[in-house]
Amino acid sequence: SAVISQKPSRDICQRGTSLTIQCQVDSQVTMMFWYRQQPGQSLTLIATANQGSEATYESGFVIDKFPISRPNLTFSTLTVSNMSPEDSSIYLCSALGRDRGLDPEAFFGQGTRLTVV
Amino acid sequence: GQNIDQPTEMTATEGAIVQINCTYQTSGFNGLFWYQQHAGEAPTFLSYNVLDGLEEKGRFSSFLSRSKGYSYLLLKELQMKDSASYLCAVKGNTGKLIFGQGTTLQVKP
Repeated sequence: SAVISQKPSRDICQRGTSLTIQCQVDSQVTMMFWYRQQPGQSLTLIATANQGSEATYESGFVIDKFPISRPNLTFSTLTVSNMSPEDSSIYLCSALGRDRGLDPEAFFGQGTRLTVV
Repeated sequence: GQNIDQPTEMTATEGAIVQINCTYQTSGFNGLFWYQQHAGEAPTFLSYNVLDGLEEKGRFSSFLSRSKGYSYLLLKELQMKDSASYLCAVKGNTGKLIFGQGTTLQVKP
């Protein structure tokens, strides 16, 4: 199983500012994803982080608001830009193992609890 | 489109058996996952089904019928610590997981 380190674990931010969340995996993985989980709800996929190229965003999410980087196979960042209180949520990094046949599960970081005031 | 349905809430008694159902309609299918999530924590992996049938892992079992777009998670000998949200997720052909809304299970003494 891969271990995913995500930081910060929580933050309180002023509206209009930006926060960058980092995700580090301890082994090479094929795919990395960013999810949002709003209070009392399930996980919503924001985007797939692609190594060395632009992320693939889901409907309702745009690069200007959630820029994502993935410079190598084991590291990715998500920035929440120009924050508003509606961005208050838990943000989760996820990764798929390199060999899908042997390691099918998607692993999650511990999440970043963001509060925008 | 993609649609994954689970009951919102369930209640069961300690020591009993509970079955949480999940139906799905997705564009592409490459496996179905079940996760457990306690409040304030990240989801933890429970099971993975890619072929029809039952996968058993201790007190937890998961079943899949691809032709019916249906899965269930079976929890036996319920314990108080099993109170949590249970998330059904389908992996599409691109590898990304799409989650259902989750089922909040409350185990009562």
